[in-house]
Amino acid sequence: EPEVTQTPSHQVTQMGQEVILRCVPISNHLYFYWYRQILGQKVEFLVSFYNNEISEKSEIFDDQFSVERPDGSNFTLKIRSTKLEDSAMYFCASSGGQGAIVDTQYFGPGTRLTVL
Amino acid sequence: AQSVTQLGSHVSVSEGALVLLRCNYSSSVPPYLFWYVQYPNQGLQLLLKYTTGATLVKGINGFEAEFKKSETSFHLTKPSAHMSDAAEYFCAVSYSGNTPLVFGKGTRLSVIA
Repeated sequence: EPEVTQTPSHQVTQMGQEVILRCVPISNHLYFYWYRQILGQKVEFLVSFYNNEISEKSEIFDDQFSVERPDGSNFTLKIRSTKLEDSAMYFCASSGGQGAIVDTQYFGPGTRLTVL
Repeated sequence: AQSVTQLGSHVSVSEGALVLLRCNYSSSVPPYLFWYVQYPNQGLQLLLKYTTGATLVKGINGFEAEFKKSETSFHLTKPSAHMSDAAEYFCAVSYSGNTPLVFGKGTRLSVIA
């Protein structure tokens, strides 16, 4: 069964450093998302991406965040200058496969980001 | 704006007992409703969803949920709990399948032998 994959599973970084979180969505999906879950809190939407551009973003997704689909298979989230409060589990999701169920978001296992 | 409220951050049941996890939503448009489960150190897995049509929705692992518009609820039930059901359960709402999900805070289910 196709699945969303994410690397790395755990990333530790120093405050102020740049990090790139990587995701490989399900191959025929058209919509891509990043969510995050700070420890003990709810899962929050960051950004959605469709047709090679951002379709929606939340207030959390400020100028220090960016997303890219560099090669038609990977979907990345970059945090330019990490802050302590960026420590969280980051989930990638995809949906909208041609010829498949179009209304379900499939999630990856997450990347745990720890900012020291 | 949409929002989801899950009553009870932690629910504990005995093995074989009924599981009831509560979810209420607010939405200005007809909602799409979802339940996801998260096992330790894993991602979010879809249990079931309501989009349109039949209000009683059956999902994987014997779970089901009923959409009650008048009560703005989408409670998750399972007749008989199994040890393997111990996990975190999240209710979520969206305008459609390909729009951002708004999640509740989650309910951790413990199953006691």
